[in-house]
Amino acid sequence: QKEVEQNSGPLSVPEGAIASLNCTYSDRGSQSFFWYRQYSGKSPELIMFIYSNGDKEDGRFTAQLNKASQYVSLLIRDSQPSDSATYLCAVRGPGTYKYIFGTGTRLKVLA
Amino acid sequence: NAGVTQTPKFQVLKTGQSMTLQCAQDMNHNSMYWYRQDPGMGLRLIYYSASEGTTDKGEVPNGYNVSRLNKREFSLRLESAAPSQTSVYFCAAHRDRKFYSNQPQHFGDGTRLSIL
Repeated sequence: QKEVEQNSGPLSVPEGAIASLNCTYSDRGSQSFFWYRQYSGKSPELIMFIYSNGDKEDGRFTAQLNKASQYVSLLIRDSQPSDSATYLCAVRGPGTYKYIFGTGTRLKVLA
Repeated sequence: NAGVTQTPKFQVLKTGQSMTLQCAQDMNHNSMYWYRQDPGMGLRLIYYSASEGTTDKGEVPNGYNVSRLNKREFSLRLESAAPSQTSVYFCAAHRDRKFYSNQPQHFGDGTRLSIL
């Protein structure tokens, strides 16, 4: 089992819809969770981070964390074609400087 | 404010050649990281440096060496390049040296390395 798992996609949603991206992790002691967006040929850029159970909202983005079930999700409301990218989930474990990344989910927003 | 700067942006090497990838950050961050990204593999940690003067192996360290020259600079060296090291290499920096920091990493633009 991979430490951080994401569905590789592509996930296709129509413009204006809600895109839901999911990530599961294996280390129950993981502390911090990050969502990065990566456009083709570019470097990852931070979208959201969360470390407490529940929801965290920032504009059109909502991160949801459920530590009991060991999953973290990212919701993108009112999806735009410019949201088309690969979304990387990253998890920071306890007592470590390491970040473990999932393989990413490719999102395609159809105009 | 440039953030994290990587040089070069592109490089083509022949098998067996050596090369050093440079990374510098101007954010006064403590921790620095080197990743490689291959299609379908996500970002894999090669080495990291929690603070100036310390380095530790990540997930895929074989064939690489690193130097944390000072707080700003963290270089990655390929002593004898192999085709399997063809990849995109990203350097990242992180503000804190605390174990339980919730702060994110900030990435450079990447170095695209091809080994023939």
